[in-house]
Amino acid sequence: GEDVEQSLFLSVREGDSSVINCTYTDSSSTYLYWYKQEPGAGLQLLTYIFSNMDMKQDQRLTVLLNKKDKHLSLRIADTQTGDSAIYFCAESTHNDMRFGAGTRLTVKP
Amino acid sequence: NAGVTQTPKFQVLKTGQSMTLQCAQDMNHEYMSWYRQDPGMGLRLIHYSVGAGITDQGEVPNGYNVSRSTTEDFPLRLLSAAPSQTSVYFCASSYQGGPNTGELFFGEGSRLTVL
Repeated sequence: GEDVEQSLFLSVREGDSSVINCTYTDSSSTYLYWYKQEPGAGLQLLTYIFSNMDMKQDQRLTVLLNKKDKHLSLRIADTQTGDSAIYFCAESTHNDMRFGAGTRLTVKP
Repeated sequence: NAGVTQTPKFQVLKTGQSMTLQCAQDMNHEYMSWYRQDPGMGLRLIHYSVGAGITDQGEVPNGYNVSRSTTEDFPLRLLSAAPSQTSVYFCASSYQGGPNTGELFFGEGSRLTVL
């Protein structure tokens, strides 16, 4: 099947920028998403980008999409300790949404 | 709004036992789905439904059954539990059209351990 891949861990200092990367293989993806999971909770949508866009900015979040390379990134500016969580990249096609394994972001004070 | 509600939150089963994980949503969503989350593997789709009376298999359907008799409810049945089904299970829903048209709303998860 198609794969969504992302690194498993990222550690940054409070106030720095975090960049979480993701690659996907399904070129027919319509939407690409970033979900956030806090401990003991379900996933919550953080942001998404339509496949015909290159960039989307939403307050501290910037999503970059390189469709040619099938590469998606999430940049969190001025990372705070409350941003510590697992971040999932996902792609959707028709009735399926495929998730990466999740990147655990640790923010050190 | 309650959103997506899953019960139970925790369950321990013995190999061979059967059980049902309940999922209910109050957002009038047509699309509902079940995922399992395993360490290092992300979420994998088990079964999904695009409306009452309609269900279909996802990536890892073996050992699980679903039904969708109402728009609100989408129970997941484990027929004969195996240790390989130890996992965290998430129910999710979205507006008509499925995840291809927007956000998935997730429940808080059900942690299942099979001994």
